[in-house]
Amino acid sequence: NAGVTQTPKFQVLKTGQSMTLQCAQDMNHNSMYWYRQDPGMGLRLIYYSASEGTTDKGEVPNGYNVSRLNKREFSLRLESAAPSQTSVYFCASSAGRLEGTEAFFGQGTRLTVV
Amino acid sequence: AQKVTQAQTEISVVEKEDVTLDCVYETRDTTYYLFWYKQPPSGELVFLIRRNSFDEQNEISGRYSWNFQKSTSSFNFTITASQVVDSAVYFCALSDLSGSARQLTFGSGTQLTVLP
Repeated sequence: NAGVTQTPKFQVLKTGQSMTLQCAQDMNHNSMYWYRQDPGMGLRLIYYSASEGTTDKGEVPNGYNVSRLNKREFSLRLESAAPSQTSVYFCASSAGRLEGTEAFFGQGTRLTVV
Repeated sequence: AQKVTQAQTEISVVEKEDVTLDCVYETRDTTYYLFWYKQPPSGELVFLIRRNSFDEQNEISGRYSWNFQKSTSSFNFTITASQVVDSAVYFCALSDLSGSARQLTFGSGTQLTVLP
């Protein structure tokens, strides 16, 4: 059972470089999310997609863009990486607003911007 | 806006001791869900429990138990007879109906270390 799959698992970028974090889920979930985890701050929502074709900003969207490519895939793009974006990134999915189910998380991507 | 506070940043106990992790939340919604997740040293997030705002019954699952009290906006987590494998970061999270999707707001986490 794959669940939520994130790639890559580790990445080092130089300041100003761009990259895309990929996320795919195989649970037929409607909603998908991108979180970042920083020490002492828990997980903070970057962007989310309530359903295919829609995306909305979360708590910390600056410096990021997202694409809900289809129901399975939700990518996060850093156009010009900054050291402040060094973090662990988690993708998650859930059935949707009314189903009352928990969110399932990927394994995380550890990103370092130097 | 919703908020989750986990005031205990780090807790250290000796194996077989009981330990309670505190969680206090804020929300304006009457319908909401509370969660606990475990993040072991390997880094993944493991779902432990979900509780809706209309169900205030306490729950026990093996050595784990949860105490939900709406009157104090708290959803505390107790591990009985702790084991070294319980060492992890534990997150409390709140999900309400704001926005178009069910969003999770996390607390800052409690690092639990169980010493042998």
